[in-house]
Amino acid sequence: EVQLVESGGVVVQPGGSLRLSCAASGFTFDDYAMHWVRQAPGKGLEWVSLISWDGGSTYYADSVKGRFTISRDNSKNSLYLQMNSLRAEDTALYYCAKDSGAVAAPDYWGQGTLVTVSS
Amino acid sequence: QSALTQPRSVSGSPGQSVTISCTGTSSDVGGYNYVSWYQQHPGKAPKLMIYDVSKRPSGVPDRFSGSKSGNTASLTISGLQAEDEADYYCCSYAGSHVVFGGGTKLTVL
Repeated sequence: EVQLVESGGVVVQPGGSLRLSCAASGFTFDDYAMHWVRQAPGKGLEWVSLISWDGGSTYYADSVKGRFTISRDNSKNSLYLQMNSLRAEDTALYYCAKDSGAVAAPDYWGQGTLVTVSS
Repeated sequence: QSALTQPRSVSGSPGQSVTISCTGTSSDVGGYNYVSWYQQHPGKAPKLMIYDVSKRPSGVPDRFSGSKSGNTASLTISGLQAEDEADYYCCSYAGSHVVFGGGTKLTVL
């Protein structure tokens, strides 16, 4: 059974930094690209970032480019999101999601970790 | 990177069919056959319902179907059931990134 468990979400001040983690199990982690997708309270889904199976290619939404860094450690079946220069508008539930192999179609999602940016 | 445009809400009675539209541009929906659809119940993670415009993952009922014409993709749900009441999001490949729609709340009357 595919399981994705996010962690690291906390309350942080504007301008602060945070690192989210996602522990994956139930599938061959290094066979798949991985996504981060966020959802602000009461709002819709917003794609954040994508990393290829080997970490060699990364992609970002314009809203986070230059501030967030996606990475992975295939030896630990783990995905990460380093978040710097945080803003109030980054407040959201952050989901880790496994790519299905089809383009732009993550198929398994974790339950999310909540990041709140507030003073 | 603008969000795709979806109606805020749609509704239908049990047994009826409803269609949710998703309008983008030639840089996303219209440029690639890589549109997916997600169902999200309150407090739950999204579930993949359609990928590659019209393909259904294993386990998704064939009441759910997808299509695309030009810059607009559509999700049709036939034989509406109470459990279909949820938020639905379209998603498209857009070259170097991915973009979601704003979401549509489906109410089963």
